[in-house]
Amino acid sequence: SQQGEEDPQALSIQEGENATMNCSYKTSINNLQWYRQNSGRGLVHLILIRSNEREKHSGRLRVTLDTSKKSSSLLITASRAADTASYFCATDRASYDKVIFGPGTSLSVIP
Amino acid sequence: NAGVTQTPKFRVLKTGQSMTLLCAQDMNHEYMYWYRQDPGMGLRLIHYSVGEGTTAKGEVPDGYNVSRLKKQNFLLGLESAAPSQTSVYFCASSLRGDYEQYFGPGTRLTVT
Repeated sequence: SQQGEEDPQALSIQEGENATMNCSYKTSINNLQWYRQNSGRGLVHLILIRSNEREKHSGRLRVTLDTSKKSSSLLITASRAADTASYFCATDRASYDKVIFGPGTSLSVIP
Repeated sequence: NAGVTQTPKFRVLKTGQSMTLLCAQDMNHEYMYWYRQDPGMGLRLIHYSVGEGTTAKGEVPDGYNVSRLKKQNFLLGLESAAPSQTSVYFCASSLRGDYEQYFGPGTRLTVT
């Protein structure tokens, strides 16, 4: 069964707007990661946030983690057409061997 | 520094045929993974390896076998392909299991 579930499944916004995606998970974690996948390509790592962190930034990306609610959010500010992609969260279920990916959020940024 | 490479990029098999997908990484990573990606399903872990000579089952291991004879290579085998194995296969590697993973470009497999 999937550990992480992204919400919404699909999101369409205008260029310049902010995009927010959420990830909920079921069991305790060490870390939570976000990845991006452009159409027809492999996944690319965006951010890793540890269970003792609450917020992390990388350029236009902001990730928050609420372990009490078992949820995380990814905010992309001032979106660009190049941000059009699928975004996945991955959680480790407190295992040091592997992570489980959610089904992803498909983001479309309209120029 | 090529990162993670996969061979082949595309393949069409007939039901019952066998094939091997090759994954290679040049980052000296201990951990390597094979995933399949189907529409609307995200990535599902098939098998993984925590070091040379080791392998372990993931979520969907049936119908697949793997080998990690060398640290830099992770092979995924289909002994008798079935249409249900039509998918895009991704290989990934990482320094540790809960660290960021580096993905290959994928292999698109069609079984007719």
